[in-house]
Amino acid sequence: GENVEQHPSTLSVQEGDSAVIKCTYSDSASNYFPWYKQELGKRPQLIIDIRSNVGEKKDQRIAVTLNKTAKHFSLHITETQPEDSAVYFCAASYNTDKLIFGTGTRLQVFP
Amino acid sequence: DVKVTQSSRYLVKRTGEKVFLECVQDMDHENMFWYRQDPGLGLRLIYFSYDVKMKEKGDIPEGYSVSREKKERFSLILESASTNQTSMYLCASSLRWDEQYFGPGTRLTVT
Repeated sequence: GENVEQHPSTLSVQEGDSAVIKCTYSDSASNYFPWYKQELGKRPQLIIDIRSNVGEKKDQRIAVTLNKTAKHFSLHITETQPEDSAVYFCAASYNTDKLIFGTGTRLQVFP
Repeated sequence: DVKVTQSSRYLVKRTGEKVFLECVQDMDHENMFWYRQDPGLGLRLIYFSYDVKMKEKGDIPEGYSVSREKKERFSLILESASTNQTSMYLCASSLRWDEQYFGPGTRLTVT
């Protein structure tokens, strides 16, 4: 079955710096890759997603890139702010609504 | 605004008790999911449902069952609670091929 590995497990950056979180997936047929953000004590919320027919997608300070050949995708956050501090989860699926999640990355942005 | 609610935020049960966790969504979503969230393990899918009275096993269904008698309600049942089922339980719902919306979570402690 599909397996998703996520790195790093924790990430600390200075405010204004960039943050990058990487995920690899095992099933080459996977075609949908969402990213969820979970602030402390709150529910996960979708922040961006990408489908396999696109190599990159951007939404303001957040971007996701996908390399199908290498089977990995990454979340890029530029000009980080303290409110970006949260746990971020990547996920993957193939033509189903069943998502396989990574183990999460705790991002801390220091002022 | 999509609203997914869960019956309890915190629950304490004794080993061997039968436990019911309820999830209700108000957006007429076909899909509903139950996950458990544990530190370092991310979100793991227990069961999901594509329609009323339909259920599919996720990655960790052992020790759990589910019920979906109405479209808006998806119940997770722990037949005989054990201490290793102490966890955060998250419900989610979605339209087909779309973003999953999560509930606030139920933190279950089994003593």
